[in-house]
Amino acid sequence: KQEVTQIPAALSVPEGENLVLNCSFTDSAIYNLQWFRQDPGKGLTSLLLIQSSQREQTSGRLNASLDKSSGRSTLYIAASQPGDSATYLCAVVGNQAGTALIFGKGTTLSVSS
Amino acid sequence: DGGITQSPKYLFRKEGQNVTLSCEQNLNHDAMYWYRQDPGQGLRLIYYSQIVNDFQKGDIAEGYSVSREKKESFPLTVTSAQKNPTAFYLCASSIWAGGEDEQFFGPGTRLTVL
Repeated sequence: KQEVTQIPAALSVPEGENLVLNCSFTDSAIYNLQWFRQDPGKGLTSLLLIQSSQREQTSGRLNASLDKSSGRSTLYIAASQPGDSATYLCAVVGNQAGTALIFGKGTTLSVSS
Repeated sequence: DGGITQSPKYLFRKEGQNVTLSCEQNLNHDAMYWYRQDPGQGLRLIYYSQIVNDFQKGDIAEGYSVSREKKESFPLTVTSAQKNPTAFYLCASSIWAGGEDEQFFGPGTRLTVL
């Protein structure tokens, strides 16, 4: 059964730092991997989608990489800002439950000014 | 504006009541999903539907029911058989693309049992 793990569970950094969030999954047979952002009490906002044939995706200050063979993905945030403070969730689509996502528990990021 | 709407934003349920959470999308997506989020846990799949009039159970379907009579609507009923329904419920949708599709989420409904 696919399991997704995110490390660290929480991270605090000063404004301006570059940072990396980690995601690992146990079954490399995935169709895609998505990174989401969630603000307290809100729904999920899709940040980046990496399909299984891709190695990375970029959007603004965000860069996500995917290494299927090792079961790992990283989300790189450049020049962090207080507005980046949120919970970041990693999720994969595998062979289970149609195309439903299997989620990690998230990394809660706090960026101080 | 295209998107996913969920209503109500907050819902309170008394013991023994059934309640229905609404999810509507105008993105013309084929697939729709319901997830449950509890503090300190990842989102877990309740039900999903890839086509009208068809739906499948997820990991935690017990005590829940759904219908998919229209492409744009996927309501979730929390029945009295669900012993611990207090949670944040999120609806999502995607184009059916064999697994390579991006999922989009609604704003969520917070259900509290009184």
